[in-house]
Amino acid sequence: DADVTQTPRNRITKTGKRIMLECSQTKGHDRMYWYRQDPGLGLRLIYYSFDVKDINKGEISDGYSVSRQAQAKFSLSLESAIPNQTALYFCATSDSDREQFFGPGTRLTVL
Amino acid sequence: KNQVEQSPQSLIILEGKNCTLQCNYTVSPFSNLRWYKQDTGRGPVSLTIMTFSENTKSNGRYTATLDADTKQSSLHITASQLSDSASYICVVSRQTGANNLFFGTGTRLTVIP
Repeated sequence: DADVTQTPRNRITKTGKRIMLECSQTKGHDRMYWYRQDPGLGLRLIYYSFDVKDINKGEISDGYSVSRQAQAKFSLSLESAIPNQTALYFCATSDSDREQFFGPGTRLTVL
Repeated sequence: KNQVEQSPQSLIILEGKNCTLQCNYTVSPFSNLRWYKQDTGRGPVSLTIMTFSENTKSNGRYTATLDADTKQSSLHITASQLSDSASYICVVSRQTGANNLFFGTGTRLTVIP
């Protein structure tokens, strides 16, 4: 969905490097989310934010941190990347609990 | 334990045929259920959303059903097309709790000519 953009779309990095994934949205939604998707495991929630001053850990937050710079921007950081963080990462937004709108994803490979 | 289980894990059908995907859940208290379509390399896109009082909802060739008593949902695809090839994800929302979405692992559908 063009209303939710993620950068970069693909990234290859080495173990121990710091990585930041960025998400921007033009939908005007207050709620933003970061998920990772692994084969056979479905989407798992890393962090979520219901407004600029609200940050919450999700199911698998260890090894990750986030920053909500503005209503429209929510970035995910891997402080010291490790190979098992290789996955597809999705940002999503919503204005309620009825529907989330997902970005196109970032494919991250940690060597 | 709040869980969402989908079956089958994968499915291959001929173009033009119908198919039905299943979703069973134990999420409680139930708020709503959504089906998403995820094309390869893309983010999920919502197909249907159903609340407790809705037992069927259609979106073109996609028809979702919900039985809140048995905690089961199905997604029926009619006259399949090659573009239906994707993963279909069932997502159940719980009424309470901030982290209240539960995702199924998806059914991978392949439509062949």
